[in-house]
Amino acid sequence: EIVLTQSPGTLSLSPGERATLSCRASQSVKSRSLAWHQQKPGQAPRLLIYGASNRATGIPDRFSGSGSGTDFTLTISRLEPEDSAVYFCQQYDDSPMYTFGRGTKLEIK
Amino acid sequence: QVQLVQSGAEVKKPGSSVKVSCKASGGTFNTYCISWVRQAPGQGLEWMGGIIPLFGTADYAQKFQDRVTITADESTSTTYMELSSLKAEDTAVFYCARGPVGTDFYDTNGYPVYFNSWGQGTLVTVSS
Repeated sequence: EIVLTQSPGTLSLSPGERATLSCRASQSVKSRSLAWHQQKPGQAPRLLIYGASNRATGIPDRFSGSGSGTDFTLTISRLEPEDSAVYFCQQYDDSPMYTFGRGTKLEIK
Repeated sequence: QVQLVQSGAEVKKPGSSVKVSCKASGGTFNTYCISWVRQAPGQGLEWMGGIIPLFGTADYAQKFQDRVTITADESTSTTYMELSSLKAEDTAVFYCARGPVGTDFYDTNGYPVYFNSWGQGTLVTVSS
């Protein structure tokens, strides 16, 4: 099973700043199989990024994904208060099997 | 985009079973895999298993393999997840999820490499 380790656990930033969230895999992940989801309290997750770098429908261009192999990054530029949420990375392998990181909690001060 | 609507919250006794439903609307049902994901309070997300209704057989994560059964009813576009031998640690929100329309970003076995539609979640509380 591929383990995804996200860092930092919590990130506290101000509006207008840039957030950089990391997701490291225990073994190489196909870029097409790496996604990022946003979850706000009491809500279901929402897809942000798929295929490591493709924004999902309706996602602002402030959100961008990058990386390959074992290291992936979600960047949120020009933070807004509504970006407060937990962000999860997710990967798929061919077992079939999906694993998720434990999440990064982003707080907007 | 498909909509997934789940059944309501449940309270169960330890040792009993729970069956949660997920009804799909707004798209083709039987050729798209539906997965189930568990989220314990304050915890991350765990994939439990999935089913492609057209094929009828489910795949399960090893952790849940002995206790979970996933089925699908094509006549009502509904998928079910039943978890047995419930323990207090099973208290969680359970989500159904599906991948995108089309064939891109799918594996050869029909599983999507990401989820773009999620149900609203069903809270299952296990308490004596």
